[in-house]
Amino acid sequence: DAKTTQPPSMDCAEGRAANLPCNHSTISGNEYVYWYRQIHSQGPQYIIHGLKNNETNEMASLIITEDRKSSTLILPHATLRDTAVYYCIVRVGDNNDMRFGAGTRLTVKP
Amino acid sequence: DAGVIQSPRHEVTEMGQEVTLRCKPISGHNSLFWYRQTMMRGLELLIYFNNNVPIDDSGMPEDRFSAKMPNASFSTLKIQPSEPRDSAVYFCASSRRGSHNSPLHFGNGTRLTVT
Repeated sequence: DAKTTQPPSMDCAEGRAANLPCNHSTISGNEYVYWYRQIHSQGPQYIIHGLKNNETNEMASLIITEDRKSSTLILPHATLRDTAVYYCIVRVGDNNDMRFGAGTRLTVKP
Repeated sequence: DAGVIQSPRHEVTEMGQEVTLRCKPISGHNSLFWYRQTMMRGLELLIYFNNNVPIDDSGMPEDRFSAKMPNASFSTLKIQPSEPRDSAVYFCASSRRGSHNSPLHFGNGTRLTVT
């Protein structure tokens, strides 16, 4: 699986958009980009995933660059409850093992 | 759907004792994963199963650790004998292999403390 690089921490003002970057420069053509988050003491929670096209769901948007070497997770209107560690992971789609890095600790401030 | 169910939520035991952690995956899911999380090492994949068969156990730290999945609705992670360095939060996750890009669904974890 390709490795990912994320900033260790970020701050965001409540109500503003949170943009979390992820670099995956060695991603393969059949590897998807997944995003999870982990709120303190809970299990990781799936947010969104994509292959090439941008994706949007009720939680977030995922923007993947055309060369697929990086992506951005967007929380359009961050709330205090979005404070968590966010993990960007790449893996082959057919359910191979999923390995987590250190993630980005997002702190949403009032 | 009840989600992935893990038990117990908390376990405190003494060094040398056997510890068994339990997981019930989401009904219909045929892949199951065991993870361990510590401050020092983050979230580590220990082992995963497809259709009850262990596929990759390279993350299991030592022979003291063993995992089984006797049927599609139950898995155990056993540590025997336990050591203080095994103290961590252990997560179980499941997904539907074969379904296009099915994400993992995690339980709430078991917090293990070995004294």
